Amino acid sequence: DGGITQSPKYLFRKEGQNVTLSCEQNLNHDAMYWYRQDPGQGLRLIYYSQIVNDFQKGDIAEGYSVSREKKESFPLTVTSAQKNPTAFYLCASRDSGRAAKNIQYFGAGTRLSVL
Amino acid sequence: ELKVEQNPLFLSMQEGKNYTIYCNYSTTSDRLYWYRQDPGKSLESLFVLLSNGAVKQEGRLMASLDTKARLSTLHITAAVHDLSATYFCAVDMRGTYKYIFGTGTRLKVLA
Repeated sequence: DGGITQSPKYLFRKEGQNVTLSCEQNLNHDAMYWYRQDPGQGLRLIYYSQIVNDFQKGDIAEGYSVSREKKESFPLTVTSAQKNPTAFYLCASRDSGRAAKNIQYFGAGTRLSVL
Repeated sequence: ELKVEQNPLFLSMQEGKNYTIYCNYSTTSDRLYWYRQDPGKSLESLFVLLSNGAVKQEGRLMASLDTKARLSTLHITAAVHDLSATYFCAVDMRGTYKYIFGTGTRLKVLA
């Protein structure tokens, strides 16, 4: 089945540690996104990538890093510089074909907590 | 500042009643999206509205778009408990790959 796979579902980070959240899609979508959602809040854009080997900062990129070496994969690293990382992280991709409506499709999310 | 505002933020309603959720946005956009999120889950696409005057309906939900007023509505008809969820609207920023999401409306339908 086509879709977006995020792993792990739950992640715990220790003080000073970097952790990486995985996002893989087999939808053949060019654009991919990372959002952060805090309890009772909307989604805030961390990073997005329009195409392989290219990505841009979103509204809250500080303390995060990404890479886009393959079309299918867009991992997010939460660095030790992110002092308040506890949140629900959502990965999305977008179909930008000629007939596409630019709908974003979301993965199931990763819930990150600090130990 | 680019904003997408939803109201109400919280909505508790009885089964069988009708209600409307409003989504106002400040940026120029041609597309408006509605998503549903169940507690602890991801976002599910409900509707995409592509032009002024667009109306989409699925079951008890109907969405509409007025690009001149920069307003979209999500109307709930004869609510049932299964509609309890948080509903988000989002707009794409014209000429970019970015989207702005509203703060969400948490709907609770009481039996």
